[in-house]
Amino acid sequence: DTGVSQNPRHKITKRGQNVTFRCDPISEHNRLYWYRQTLGQGPEFLTYFQNEAQLEKSRLLSDRFSAERPKGSFSTLEIQRTEQGDSAMYLCASTIAPGYDEKLFFGSGTQLSVL
Amino acid sequence: SQQGEEDPQALSIQEGENATMNCSYKTSINNLQWYRQNSGRGLVHLILIRSNEREKHSGRLRVTLDTSKKSSSLLITASRAADTASYFCASSNFGNEKLTFGTGTRLTIIP
Repeated sequence: DTGVSQNPRHKITKRGQNVTFRCDPISEHNRLYWYRQTLGQGPEFLTYFQNEAQLEKSRLLSDRFSAERPKGSFSTLEIQRTEQGDSAMYLCASTIAPGYDEKLFFGSGTQLSVL
Repeated sequence: SQQGEEDPQALSIQEGENATMNCSYKTSINNLQWYRQNSGRGLVHLILIRSNEREKHSGRLRVTLDTSKKSSSLLITASRAADTASYFCASSNFGNEKLTFGTGTRLTIIP
């Protein structure tokens, strides 16, 4: 088990383009989270999945953002019509749930730069 | 908006000294966790303290929790250069399945 894997590590795109990020969680983890982090700030919650079900979405997740977790394994986060304000580190984390005491295991993130 | 606020925002100390970071939160919590993040990397879990605990130790880490003041502190003893990183507190609330992170403290250990 190699931990949570995110691809790509870096993505540079032009404003208006669509981008898709992938997260492969730790294999036995049933819960998967997406967070966004801007420079000098803490991670901000975007959405999470329990198996394949998307259970909560933040108001930060506009209709240009969509996330999926088919078959409850890997997850993708797509941003359509990117804007410069979308530039950030996108972090994926996984854990075993339910329960409130599970620590999150984070991937190394995807750094998005929108030009 | 983020629930936690951390203090100080940045801290520089000499190697071997102790480092203390504080975290305040706004609502009742189920537990509070501390994470470390090296520059450009993901976060790594350090320690978890439950709402009914007041103090917890793990190696060179000591965490305290004061629910009456809605605050927590992280103490790193005998700091090392490798401790240079950003440190975040994160809390989970009853009935809420997500962790809410603070703004972080950027710690620099000077060799």
